[in-house]
Amino acid sequence: GQNIDQPTEMTATEGAIVQINCTYQTSGFNGLFWYQQHAGEAPTFLSYNVLDGLEEKGRFSSFLSRSKGYSYLLLKELQMKDSASYLCAVLDSNYQLIWGAGTKLIIKP
Amino acid sequence: GAVVSQHPSWVICKSGTSVKIECRSLDFQATTMFWYRQFPKQSLMLMATSNEGSKATYEQGVEKDKFLINHASLTLSTLTVTSAHPEDSSFYICSARRQGRDTEAFFGQGTRLTVV
Repeated sequence: GQNIDQPTEMTATEGAIVQINCTYQTSGFNGLFWYQQHAGEAPTFLSYNVLDGLEEKGRFSSFLSRSKGYSYLLLKELQMKDSASYLCAVLDSNYQLIWGAGTKLIIKP
Repeated sequence: GAVVSQHPSWVICKSGTSVKIECRSLDFQATTMFWYRQFPKQSLMLMATSNEGSKATYEQGVEKDKFLINHASLTLSTLTVTSAHPEDSSFYICSARRQGRDTEAFFGQGTRLTVV
């Protein structure tokens, strides 16, 4: 079956750095997405990786290793507004999005 | 980025009535739209995939006669929850992808449905 694993919850301090990991086992791979979702709102797009390596976009970076079925989202200089759930999603061989359960990130002052 | 508009944002209805939720792609053509349901503190659950001009494909366990999906044009898909019951209360979210299969999904704002 298809499976995406990410931690349920993480806690970090304002101003610090946090890394949210995502491992996947899917039927085929056509890219990996990270989304941010604040409580009661729809997800918003953060990043897309299809090749191995690190993609940097401001305070957020996303890394992919296809051979390991692994990705991480790195958040730097954490701000209170970064408190949200972070969803990992993989495009499988049928170009369907398979979603992880999300990681709830709690930022403390 | 592309904009997907979902309406209404929230709705309260009586048990036994029907509710229609609209999902529009405002500045792009979406040949495929997706409907999700999300219960509190849970991940997105795909309900159905909606293709323009054809019948929707429902996920296992989703009643197609209860959740009616219509994708009449390249910019509009609707989800109708028929004979709603309190257990249907949830957050319903649509997403759309532009033509080109390896593209991101753009999400509507979501609809908070409460059935009383």
